Amino acid sequence: EDKVVQSPLSLVVHEGDTVTLNCSYEVTNFRSLLWYKQEKKAPTFLFMLTSSGIEKKSGRLSSILDKKELFSILNITATQTGDSAVYLCAVPRGSTLGRLYFGRGTQLTVWP
Amino acid sequence: NAGVTQTPKFRVLKTGQSMTLLCAQDMNHEYMYWYRQDPGMGLRLIHYSVGEGTTAKGEVPDGYNVSRLKKQNFLLGLESAAPSQTSVYFCASSYSSGLPYEQYFGPGTRLTVT
Repeated sequence: EDKVVQSPLSLVVHEGDTVTLNCSYEVTNFRSLLWYKQEKKAPTFLFMLTSSGIEKKSGRLSSILDKKELFSILNITATQTGDSAVYLCAVPRGSTLGRLYFGRGTQLTVWP
Repeated sequence: NAGVTQTPKFRVLKTGQSMTLLCAQDMNHEYMYWYRQDPGMGLRLIHYSVGEGTTAKGEVPDGYNVSRLKKQNFLLGLESAAPSQTSVYFCASSYSSGLPYEQYFGPGTRLTVT
């Protein structure tokens, strides 16, 4: 059965800290892994990773995929209160390419 | 462009009542999706559509029906609401070509069934 497991489920840090969020997966016919950020409303897209070892970066956020060990990490450096959100990891499943299977998410809280 | 919009934003139903949630997108996307999100859970796919006139079941389809009569609209129906359907419902859409795939989400509908 396909699985996407995120850890930790919640994390509380102070501004300026660096955090690492984890996503492990088991899915047949892996094609890609996506990260989303969800504040108090709709999820917004962050990254899509398809190849191992390729690090995606966007400002203070970066993500890397390890296809051999079946996991991805999302790093946030110099955290700010605006980074407080739920971070969701998802993988496509089934034959419909856009059909995503989401993990439960990591609730990140950044205190000033 | 409005992106993905959902109507209504909030709704309270009594057990056994019916309702329809409307999702509209103006990005000419082929694919559309309905998810539900419960506390501490990620998004779970209810139904999806790969084009006008087509629909398919997701992970948690029971108790819901959908229709995609026009490419830009995707309707989610609850025929006889149950308290277990209390949730936040998100609609999303995406392109059909290329690698998967950034999905664009609507703002959500918070539904409470008493």
